[in-house]
Amino acid sequence: TQLLEQSPQFLSIQEGENLTVYCNSSSVFSSLQWYRQEPGEGPVLLVTVVTGGEVKKLKRLTFQFGDARKDSSLHITAAQPGDTGLYLCAGDSGGYQKVTFGTGTKLQVIP
Amino acid sequence: DADVTQTPRNRITKTGKRIMLECSQTKGHDRMYWYRQDPGLGLRLIYYSFDVKDINKGEISDGYSVSRQAQAKFSLSLESAIPNQTALYFCATSENQETQYFGPGTRLLVL
Repeated sequence: TQLLEQSPQFLSIQEGENLTVYCNSSSVFSSLQWYRQEPGEGPVLLVTVVTGGEVKKLKRLTFQFGDARKDSSLHITAAQPGDTGLYLCAGDSGGYQKVTFGTGTKLQVIP
Repeated sequence: DADVTQTPRNRITKTGKRIMLECSQTKGHDRMYWYRQDPGLGLRLIYYSFDVKDINKGEISDGYSVSRQAQAKFSLSLESAIPNQTALYFCATSENQETQYFGPGTRLLVL
């Protein structure tokens, strides 16, 4: 079973602060996705990274895929209360394999 | 209207009862999935189906069964519910493995 571990598990910060969330595995993935889940809703895709070393930006969110395609990070600049939610990474090992989801990081941004 | 719907949204049942959770999608995707979510464990795959005639066990299929009635419908059954099946259940669909579209979830409590 492939494992994707996320850290930290919980994060509570003040509005305007920066933060980084990590997603780590010993397995190589052909692509990796980041989702955000708000209370009472299902996860919603934020981004997919495919190439080792790839960096993608989505407004104040910056996603990076590790060079070896085993890990990824999500950096949020100047966090807003609307960023509050559960952030999940998910790795796709390709072929007929299923996607493996990470353990999640619960972020709370306090106004 | 939502692309992926789940019914019921909330369910309380007793140990030993049989229950069914239903999922419908209007995205026209062949691939459908059932996950359960528990705090600190992320999303774990119960069953998945890549088309109407294809059903596959996920990592935690024991105690569950599924039925793919049509391309748009995928139901999950708990034949004899037990308390440790208390969780949040999500249905998802995808065109490929990189992007999954989730329903709003069903919160199940087994007493």
